[in-house]
Amino acid sequence: ETGVTQTPRHLVMGMTNKKSLKCEQHLGHNAMYWYKQSAKKPLELMFVYSLEERVENNSVPSRFSPECPNSSHLFLHLHTLQPEDSALYLCASSQAIAGGRDTQYFGPGTRLTVL
Amino acid sequence: AQSVTQPDIHITVSEGASLELRCNYSYGATPYLFWYVQSPGQGLQLLLKYFSGDTLVQGIKGFEAEFKRSQSSFNLRKPSVHWSDAAEYFCAVGPNTGNQFYFGTGTSLTVIP
Repeated sequence: ETGVTQTPRHLVMGMTNKKSLKCEQHLGHNAMYWYKQSAKKPLELMFVYSLEERVENNSVPSRFSPECPNSSHLFLHLHTLQPEDSALYLCASSQAIAGGRDTQYFGPGTRLTVL
Repeated sequence: AQSVTQPDIHITVSEGASLELRCNYSYGATPYLFWYVQSPGQGLQLLLKYFSGDTLVQGIKGFEAEFKRSQSSFNLRKPSVHWSDAAEYFCAVGPNTGNQFYFGTGTSLTVIP
């Protein structure tokens, strides 16, 4: 595997389910990100981790819970979601958090549908 | 407040024709500017980026972009479009410090034979 991988690629869940999204980066990077991509809206930064420590949490509802056990893996735990949470969830990584200079590399995303 | 505007939601061009996708930004300092492309079912791939120096930036797949400070613009261009260029294109602004990137809403490109 190369680059940034995400599993599953598609997920359908009910509002009472608990599920997790997984992201793995094979680039030796130290920073990882979760974004939400909704139709016709800008990408929304949800969480940022640097060296496994959360450094950004952009007012994301508590029904989304991130976890970064090491610098290569990032999870997004989901519970009691709402239909408006249906979106494409993108994971990204970068060498470090160096402001805008640091290029982010994106995974293919998980298409989430909440029924 | 920082923001990125892509005025064109959707553009259709003929294969072989030239292309220009518009991007305007609002940012308090000299920004770091990016163009990404997203093919169906894929994540975002970096096309090019501007940090400083020459205002005309060359990227992958034959794309280039020009930074115009006076117009707060960073338009993406390609002289001859290929059918495989059909995708969604996103302009983004990166911060001088921190990690809050701002993305536009994207421009969807259709290429007709």
